[in-house]
Amino acid sequence: AQRVTQPEKLLSVFKGAPVELKCNYSYSGSPELFWYVQYSRQRLQLLLRHISRESIKGFTADLNKGETSFHLKKPFAQEEDSAMYYCAPYRRFQGAQKLVFGQGTRLTINP
Amino acid sequence: KAGVTQTPRYLIKTRGQQVTLSCSPISGHRSVSWYQQTPGQGLQFLFEYFSETQRNKGNFPGRFSGRQFSNSRSEMNVSTLELGDSALYLCASSFFRGQGFLTFGSGTRLTVV
Repeated sequence: AQRVTQPEKLLSVFKGAPVELKCNYSYSGSPELFWYVQYSRQRLQLLLRHISRESIKGFTADLNKGETSFHLKKPFAQEEDSAMYYCAPYRRFQGAQKLVFGQGTRLTINP
Repeated sequence: KAGVTQTPRYLIKTRGQQVTLSCSPISGHRSVSWYQQTPGQGLQFLFEYFSETQRNKGNFPGRFSGRQFSNSRSEMNVSTLELGDSALYLCASSFFRGQGFLTFGSGTRLTVV
């Protein structure tokens, strides 16, 4: 079955500490992978996608096809990183295309 | 340029009623997707419309339907409302199909009593 798993519902780290939000997927074929973020009282928005290989707000995400993982990392967490983070594989299959979201991880950065 | 606009922002309905939610995508965006967000189930895909045609549908009962107009605006309808339909309904648009890059609206908060 196609599935995306974010094993941590809640994650709390101290400011300045490294942070890693885990995402594992189970999809046939080669999905594209995205991280979306929702800050308090703001809209859900794209953070980054694996094909662009970019760093956004200090975050990076590496696609590991062998482990089918797409973990989100930041070396030094900031208080403004506190938010809800969603991993989202995007897949085209037989003409159907959709973005499927994981359950999300609520990240809290403590001062 | 204006973002994705959803109306109304809040709705309270009674069980058994029906409701219509509206979504205006970013100008020029032709694909509109709808999602249901609840604390228990998270973000669940409802359907996607492109060029006035439903292209993809999630695992929701037939009470959930939608449509898209020639100006790309979309509406979502839920008939015979149930308490479990209480949720935040999000609309998202993108320029092309085949992209996971979606721009989301603020959502419509539906409460069924």
